[in-house]
Amino acid sequence: ETGVTQTPRHLVMGMTNKKSLKCEQHLGHNAMYWYKQSAKKPLELMFVYSLEERVENNSVPSRFSPECPNSSHLFLHLHTLQPEDSALYLCASSQGTSRPWGEQYFGPGTRLTVT
Amino acid sequence: QKEVEQNSGPLSVPEGAIASLNCTYSDRGSQSFFWYRQYSGKSPELIMSIYSNGDKEDGRFTAQLNKASQYVSLLIRDSQPSDSATYLCAPKVIYNQGGKLIFGQGTELSVKP
Repeated sequence: ETGVTQTPRHLVMGMTNKKSLKCEQHLGHNAMYWYKQSAKKPLELMFVYSLEERVENNSVPSRFSPECPNSSHLFLHLHTLQPEDSALYLCASSQGTSRPWGEQYFGPGTRLTVT
Repeated sequence: QKEVEQNSGPLSVPEGAIASLNCTYSDRGSQSFFWYRQYSGKSPELIMSIYSNGDKEDGRFTAQLNKASQYVSLLIRDSQPSDSATYLCAPKVIYNQGGKLIFGQGTELSVKP
């Protein structure tokens, strides 16, 4: 769990708020991911960054905006969210260059509640 | 057809028994397969990876892969109450310049003392 950290661990926000989720990996990996996990649903891939370049945007609404300033840090900026966006947001990282999709290691997640 | 299907469970086994978790996948091009364990309220933890047909053993865990049947399984020997968790199967599918993991919905395992 200490290899990938996420803050905050819990977040309650109103539909008009703007907030950001932060992820940091200490594993020397060069690919980072955002996933959404809703109750009773499989993990949903949202975004992927490889060498700080976004290589995947899985039809995610524009109210979610990712940012990857370097290979160790990943942000998810949130604005005008909907109650159905309430979920566990997980960050993961892995090693790889041309194939950045190997074994992924997850952070502890941010439990988001939109009121 | 779902891309990845797992027994929905819950699967209940007595302590010391063998727990068998099954997974089928639809993408014949998948070459890498991963099993994650997720305790309630926690994030997924990688426990096994398998890339070739056959068995791969790691301690009490054995992963089995049959690409022709598009089937991967995880056996847990000498099950312990601490193994009680949801187990996620995740094949890697080829996509764009690399691939991505597709997660199943998970199988909840309960090991009774």
